Amino acid sequence: GAGVSQSPRYKVTKRGQDVTLRCDPISSHATLYWYQQALGQGPEFLTYFNYEAQPDKSGLPSDRFSAERPEGSISTLTIQRTEQRDSAMYRCASSLYGGRANEQFFGPGTRLTVL
Amino acid sequence: DAKTTQPPSMDCAEGRAANLPCNHSTISGNEYVYWYRQIHSQGPQYIIHGLKNNETNEMASLIITEDRKSSTLILPHATLRDTAVYYCIVESGGSNYKLTFGKGTLLTVNP
Repeated sequence: GAGVSQSPRYKVTKRGQDVTLRCDPISSHATLYWYQQALGQGPEFLTYFNYEAQPDKSGLPSDRFSAERPEGSISTLTIQRTEQRDSAMYRCASSLYGGRANEQFFGPGTRLTVL
Repeated sequence: DAKTTQPPSMDCAEGRAANLPCNHSTISGNEYVYWYRQIHSQGPQYIIHGLKNNETNEMASLIITEDRKSSTLILPHATLRDTAVYYCIVESGGSNYKLTFGKGTLLTVNP
């Protein structure tokens, strides 16, 4: 595709509900990243994928957070039993390959609000 | 990853050069310096990166000191559209490809 796309752009949910966010990376990109960005802060790393492999989950805040990329393209981030502190912008990025000196292209993000 | 220090905010007049400093005194020999920016609520946008040598592209120039403990991002002719938060990031690569964003510098370009 022309760029990284994310859906939905906005999600409002009630505390305790599960939500799933979707990321569609640039089609030729092998590596996909998820970040969480609180208001007024820089993005914080959650996890990344090389194709379907997920080498690093170190940034996921709790076991309520999970991500997958089963076919090495589209990825989903699922938050179970959402809490108000999960409210944030969730950003997806992709890069051609997961190496050093490699530009990451960011999507527009999904704004999650947990009531 | 090495930690970076940036001023929280800077101002620049439209048409003038904007020079954004970054300190990374604990940088290791194999760590790159990256600059990204974030305009309002958009996703971060890559600007430039470098290892040892100065770099220039269509957006900006990156000047890295000889000891690599600091760098400066230069926007040669700032426009109002360059108003954004600018992040200086040191990434080690290897098996850990994440970007560690700090608070960045809010650059305001004034007419």
